[in-house]
Amino acid sequence: DVKVTQSSRYLVKRTGEKVFLECVQDMDHENMFWYRQDPGLGLRLIYFSYDVKMKEKGDIPEGYSVSREKKERFSLILESASTNQTSMYLCASSRHEVGPNGYTFGSGTRLTVV
Amino acid sequence: GQQLNQSPQSMFIQEGEDVSMNCTSSSIFNTWLWYKQDPGEGPVLLIALYKAGELTSNGRLTAQFGITRKDSFLNISASIPSDVGIYFCACMNTGFQKLVFGTGTRLLVSP
Repeated sequence: DVKVTQSSRYLVKRTGEKVFLECVQDMDHENMFWYRQDPGLGLRLIYFSYDVKMKEKGDIPEGYSVSREKKERFSLILESASTNQTSMYLCASSRHEVGPNGYTFGSGTRLTVV
Repeated sequence: GQQLNQSPQSMFIQEGEDVSMNCTSSSIFNTWLWYKQDPGEGPVLLIALYKAGELTSNGRLTAQFGITRKDSFLNISASIPSDVGIYFCACMNTGFQKLVFGTGTRLLVSP
């Protein structure tokens, strides 16, 4: 069963900590995405990557960075966590041209910053 | 970034009722997708639509791609408690690398 795996389901971090959210996919997909989901705001794109070592900013990149050293792994980094980054974070992957299968999503990481 | 207008924002219904939700865009797209997100999980693809006017069913779900290519609706018939979740529409054009998402419809079903 093909899938996208996010390393943690729940995380609690302190303000100012550096936080790493990890995502791994086993479908040999070229594209990988990080979204955050907040009530009433839908899915907001933080960063995406369409190839190893390539990255592009999404709609809300401020306060975040990403790393894609291997095709199967896409990491989201919160350089200095703040309480307004408390959210549900979703990773997704797809083929280079998003086809009829759309994206495959991970189960999400619920991050709480205290 | 661009988002689709999805309505209603939330619905609270009784088990057995039919549900309808829709999604509109100011731009033309040639593929529409509908996802469901169960509580605490990531979204999962339900239905994909490729042709304007196309009507597609998947069990109790029926979705249509609007003839203008600027809208789509999703119907759920005879709702059951496991239909609870957030439903997202998404769309794209051929060659796109990114989907555009709707803001979601939260569905609650009372037994």
